[in-house]
Amino acid sequence: QVQLQESGPGLVKPSGTLSLTCAVSGGSISSNNWWGWVRQPPGMGLEWIGDLYHGGTTNYNPSLKSRVTISLDKSKNQISLKLSSVTAADTAVYYCARLPFYYYAMDVWGQGTTVTVSS
Amino acid sequence: EIVLTQSPGTLSLSPGERATLSCRASQSVSSSYLAWYQQKPGQAPRLLIYGASNRATGIPDRFSGSGSGTDFTLTISRLEPEDFALYYCQQYGSSPPMYTFGQGTKLEIK
Repeated sequence: QVQLQESGPGLVKPSGTLSLTCAVSGGSISSNNWWGWVRQPPGMGLEWIGDLYHGGTTNYNPSLKSRVTISLDKSKNQISLKLSSVTAADTAVYYCARLPFYYYAMDVWGQGTTVTVSS
Repeated sequence: EIVLTQSPGTLSLSPGERATLSCRASQSVSSSYLAWYQQKPGQAPRLLIYGASNRATGIPDRFSGSGSGTDFTLTISRLEPEDFALYYCQQYGSSPPMYTFGQGTKLEIK
């Protein structure tokens, strides 16, 4: 079965760029799925960041669009998230997730990785 | 942007009781685009229901979803101890393409 594993720095300085990767195992990122990122600030709810399809189509949350890039590396079977110009408000647990075609929902999630924005 | 409002904020029930969680949208949502998740402390969310009423793989049949238009419901027929958690509804909107979540309902043991 498909498993997702996020990784990346746990601490990012204000105004810097947050960079995370999500390794996909047990399946191909070129399968008939979208792949996305969701975040959850401490003690708060869930916020969709964006997603992409292996053909290259991406969708981003309009509130983050100017700062977000989601990409994929087929050779490594992984997806990446970059969020620029971070502030303390970007401190959160970041999850990657699979979105099967026509589900319009996230059926497989990584365990999440905590990112703190602080100097 | 469609806003999802979940009620109640907290629901206190006992094991064996029936739980009814509500998710109201600020405008009509296609049933195909409505999902429910369960989240326990320190864990990632788990998909329970997609397409308003379809159980995800491995989800017990005590979980059921219903509704249409702006009003959707997650029902847990007989609460088990492991069901006490946080629940979120989520919708997909196509213009622009994006997902939004409700603020969550906490289901706690009475």
